[in-house]
Amino acid sequence: GAGVSQSPRYKVAKRGQDVALRCDPISGHVSLFWYQQALGQGPEFLTYFQNEAQLDKSGLPSDRFFAERPEGSVSTLKIQRTQQEDSAVYLCASSYRKTSSYEQYFGPGTRLTVT
Amino acid sequence: AQKVTQAQTEISVVEKEDVTLDCVYETRDTTYYLFWYKQPPSGELVFLIRRNSFDEQNEISGRYSWNFQKSTSSFNFTITASQVVDSAVYFCALGLETSGSRLTFGEGTQLTVNP
Repeated sequence: GAGVSQSPRYKVAKRGQDVALRCDPISGHVSLFWYQQALGQGPEFLTYFQNEAQLDKSGLPSDRFFAERPEGSVSTLKIQRTQQEDSAVYLCASSYRKTSSYEQYFGPGTRLTVT
Repeated sequence: AQKVTQAQTEISVVEKEDVTLDCVYETRDTTYYLFWYKQPPSGELVFLIRRNSFDEQNEISGRYSWNFQKSTSSFNFTITASQVVDSAVYFCALGLETSGSRLTFGEGTQLTVNP
């Protein structure tokens, strides 16, 4: 079936603008994750949803970052008043089960460049 | 706290050579899960394997094999008879039940296979 999809694939924002990044998980996957990947680094956890509930947002770097998954499927990561340090690839992943024992399937990412 | 170390930043081999990618992890938990992901130039992380802490059996899948040793906290990945299509960044990741469903990634190893 279809994998995880993300849109847009590329986003250029001027510093101070708000951006919204969308993730469509694999159908039926309960868990949804957002990660941030800086150039040359491994992905770093931002936040986790189980269905519509945001169970862990400890990785969000500041209160300018906000994520939602209102109906338990599509999720949006919003960054307000973007800063240059927000430039990164934002990866979304979904998993069939609730625990870390199950593999996460990743989307292609959204590359955000803040100028 | 958990940590994953991939000491090899870059590896370059010639096609048909065998290559081993190292992964060392740190955790005090007794139940944990280890993963390997491949990130080709297209950017999408591709799941390769999952192991749990109670299963130290090595695994082979085609040209890929994994060596899990709890005594040295290592989960190394070997590609036999490497091919140009194996060129990618490879990430090792750790999941803990006690930290929810997040994965902690290493910084990755860039593998280049030259013809």
